[in-house]
Amino acid sequence: QVQLVQSGAEVKKPGASVKVSCKTSGYTFSSSGISWVRQAPGQGLEWMAWISTYNGNTNYAQKFQGRVSLTTDTSTSTAYMELRSLRSDDTAVYYCARDSLGFDYWGQGTLVSVSS
Amino acid sequence: EIVLTQSPDTLSLSPGERATLSCRASQSVSNYLGWYQQKPGQAPRLLIYDASNRATGIPARFSGSGSGTDFTLTISSLEPEDFAVYYCQQRSKWPVTFGQGTKVEIK
Repeated sequence: QVQLVQSGAEVKKPGASVKVSCKTSGYTFSSSGISWVRQAPGQGLEWMAWISTYNGNTNYAQKFQGRVSLTTDTSTSTAYMELRSLRSDDTAVYYCARDSLGFDYWGQGTLVSVSS
Repeated sequence: EIVLTQSPDTLSLSPGERATLSCRASQSVSNYLGWYQQKPGQAPRLLIYDASNRATGIPARFSGSGSGTDFTLTISSLEPEDFAVYYCQQRSKWPVTFGQGTKVEIK
């Protein structure tokens, strides 16, 4: 069965960076891209970025341009999202999702808390 | 970017009733519109893709319709497990965008 398993919760100070992993299984990694979506406490869903697991092409929301980087490790079928220069309003649950016909499988989410 | 506006913000209904949720796009998204359900503490779940196609394992009481700028998610008869927040999403043009959500609550 398709699974996306994310790394654990993180607590960071303002200005730091965080790198969240998303390990996939149950399907051919290169067959579908991966999107990252975040959700601040009590808020809606916000799409951040997408990566092609086939060729590494990326697309970033303008809001995160220059602050977010997506990478993949095809040998372990794992996607990564790094967010730099963290601010308090980056506190959110970060999700990876398989991007097929819609976001059909999601990771369990990773809570990133940013506080001094 | 394409703005998706969902209505209503909250829908108060009883089990067994029909739920009709709307999503309007600021410009045409063709049929590249999906619907997601999210329960507290859980990741979203894809219900409908490409406006009217049920995702794998989604019950037949969920249906989607529309094209262009106006879309509807219908739940024909609400089950207790259907009370949740629903989001629409467009993937017609970058950036992907979501609506603000409609909460379906028990009346």
